[in-house]
Amino acid sequence: EPEVTQTPSHQVTQMGQEVILRCVPISNHLYFYWYRQILGQKVEFLVSFYNNEISEKSEIFDDQFSVERPDGSNFTLKIRSTKLEDSAMYFCASRRLAQQFFGPGTRLTVL
Amino acid sequence: GIQVEQSPPDLILQEGANSTLRCNFSDSVNNLQWFHQNPWGQLINLFYIPSGTKQNGRLSATTVATERYSLLYISSSQTTDSGVYFCAVCDSGGGADGLTFGKGTHLIIQP
Repeated sequence: EPEVTQTPSHQVTQMGQEVILRCVPISNHLYFYWYRQILGQKVEFLVSFYNNEISEKSEIFDDQFSVERPDGSNFTLKIRSTKLEDSAMYFCASRRLAQQFFGPGTRLTVL
Repeated sequence: GIQVEQSPPDLILQEGANSTLRCNFSDSVNNLQWFHQNPWGQLINLFYIPSGTKQNGRLSATTVATERYSLLYISSSQTTDSGVYFCAVCDSGGGADGLTFGKGTHLIIQP
């Protein structure tokens, strides 16, 4: 069964550094998402992406965040200058119809 | 935005017991999904159930959309059922696309 994949599974970075989190959505899906989960808290929506542009974003998704679909398979989340509070699990999701399918997550630790 | 409340927040049961987890939401939805977050942090899709009833093995779910709630039933609990169960919804008004998650029910199944 097709799955959403994410790399890396765990990333450690220094405060102020740029990070790029990568996702490969399910191949025939058209809608893509990023969510984050700070340790011990609920999952929060960041951004949705359709037809090569952002279709919706939350208040969390400020100017330090950007998303891109650089080719036909990858979907990336870039954090330009990481802060301590960006430490979280980041989930990518995709859908073709209504149900969203989630990847295994990337655990980002900012030191 | 739409509000999602899950109850109970914590539940401790003995192996073999049955449980019912509840999800209340504040507005009409066009998507409702139940997830199990395992100890490694992965979100496992359990059900896509914006209305009606579904069953998958020992798990079943019912959503009564007109009364704005959903129930997840776990029968004959096993220790591997332990983890956090999240309900997530998508508001059907205003073109919203991202899922709004509840805070989850933390389930512990003791041997």
